[in-house]
Amino acid sequence: EVQLVESGGGLVKPGGSLRLSCAASGFTFSSYSMNWVRQAPGKGLEWVSSISSSSSYIYYADSVKGRFTISRDNAKNSLYLQMNSLRAEDTAVYYCARERITMTRYAFDIWGQGTMVTVSS
Amino acid sequence: EIVLTQSPGTLSLSPGERATLSCRASQSVSSSYLAWYQQKPGQAPRLLIYGASSRATGIPDRFSGSGSGTDFTLTISRLEPEDFAVYYCQQYGSSPFTFGGGTKVEIK
Repeated sequence: EVQLVESGGGLVKPGGSLRLSCAASGFTFSSYSMNWVRQAPGKGLEWVSSISSSSSYIYYADSVKGRFTISRDNAKNSLYLQMNSLRAEDTAVYYCARERITMTRYAFDIWGQGTMVTVSS
Repeated sequence: EIVLTQSPGTLSLSPGERATLSCRASQSVSSSYLAWYQQKPGQAPRLLIYGASSRATGIPDRFSGSGSGTDFTLTISRLEPEDFAVYYCQQYGSSPFTFGGGTKVEIK
């Protein structure tokens, strides 16, 4: 079964750090670009960051640039998001999602169930 | 940054009716890399349409997407009870890969 499972969420104080993980199974992880998308409580979806299959290309939303770092370990079939200098506005459910990119792009076709991050004193 | 504006914010319809959802981009979406997602409460988003008009695996043919450039439409031909949800469009052709604000399709 194709699956993405996020972990690492929790309660953290403003200014603190957290590292999210996303474990992939059921597909060839190293062939897919990976993404983080978040959703604040009661709000819409916000794209956070993307990393290409070989980590050659990395992109961030302006709202997290300089504070968050995306990475992956293809040998461990895992995606990560290191979050530093956390703010209250980073409170959200964080989803990882895959995208197949060949000669064309296929959008985010598989999503994890999400992990909640709460930034509060 | 490409800003996506979805309309209407809420659509109140009855089962069996046709739903037409709009997504307008602030600039042309490259290569029609426009996707539609469905999200139900407490669940992750589900990909419905990619490339503006291609249905994702397992998506019923009552869902269809159309459009190019800056104007895109998601049509649900006949609403089933399980279709009442929030729908988001997303452009994934150029970073940042922005989402629209969503359209809620609710039971009238």
